[in-house]
Amino acid sequence: GEDVEQSLFLSVREGDSSVINCTYTDSSSTYLYWYKQEPGAGLQLLTYIFSNMDMKQDQRLTVLLNKKDKHLSLRIADTQTGDSAIYFCAAPSSGAGSYQLTFGKGTKLSVIP
Amino acid sequence: EAGVAQSPRYKIIEKRQSVAFWCNPISGHATLYWYQQILGQGPKLLIQFQNNGVVDDSQLPKDRFSAERLKGVDSTLKIQPAKLEDSAVYLCASSFTGDYGYTFGSGTRLTVV
Repeated sequence: GEDVEQSLFLSVREGDSSVINCTYTDSSSTYLYWYKQEPGAGLQLLTYIFSNMDMKQDQRLTVLLNKKDKHLSLRIADTQTGDSAIYFCAAPSSGAGSYQLTFGKGTKLSVIP
Repeated sequence: EAGVAQSPRYKIIEKRQSVAFWCNPISGHATLYWYQQILGQGPKLLIQFQNNGVVDDSQLPKDRFSAERLKGVDSTLKIQPAKLEDSAVYLCASSFTGDYGYTFGSGTRLTVV
């Protein structure tokens, strides 16, 4: 089945850019997702990218996809203290059901004022 | 649009006791998921419903966990008897059929002592 790996921690200064990286194993993944989880809250869909795209930009967020290396990254420009959260990369699973997602362990982003 | 509602937010029980969690998905979302998120890990799928039918429960520990979605709307997840390792956040998510972009509820944090 699908396996998704992420680094666990990232610390950046306010105003700098953050880059969160993710690798996945299933080359047939059609969409890849980034979710954000703030303390005590559920996961919030941040953005996604279709596998035939290399890059997607959405305001301060840029998603880069290297399909050959099965590597996905999320760049947050001008990182703010409100961006402090755990960020999860997710890819479609090859489970018995359809439209299931496998999540990485999450990258905890800490923004230093 | 109202979000995915879950209750209770927190629950502390002793091992071997039983507990139930409730989820009300977004109106019109036919697909409902229960995920288990252990501290420091990404969410792991327990069960997927399509309307009131089970699509995939292959990762549900059926000796102690059960779930139902009788009228194709609300869902209940039950654990009986609970073990210490069941301590986790139980997340409910819903989506339109054929959509990977889930909406998650805030979750129920279960502590088994």
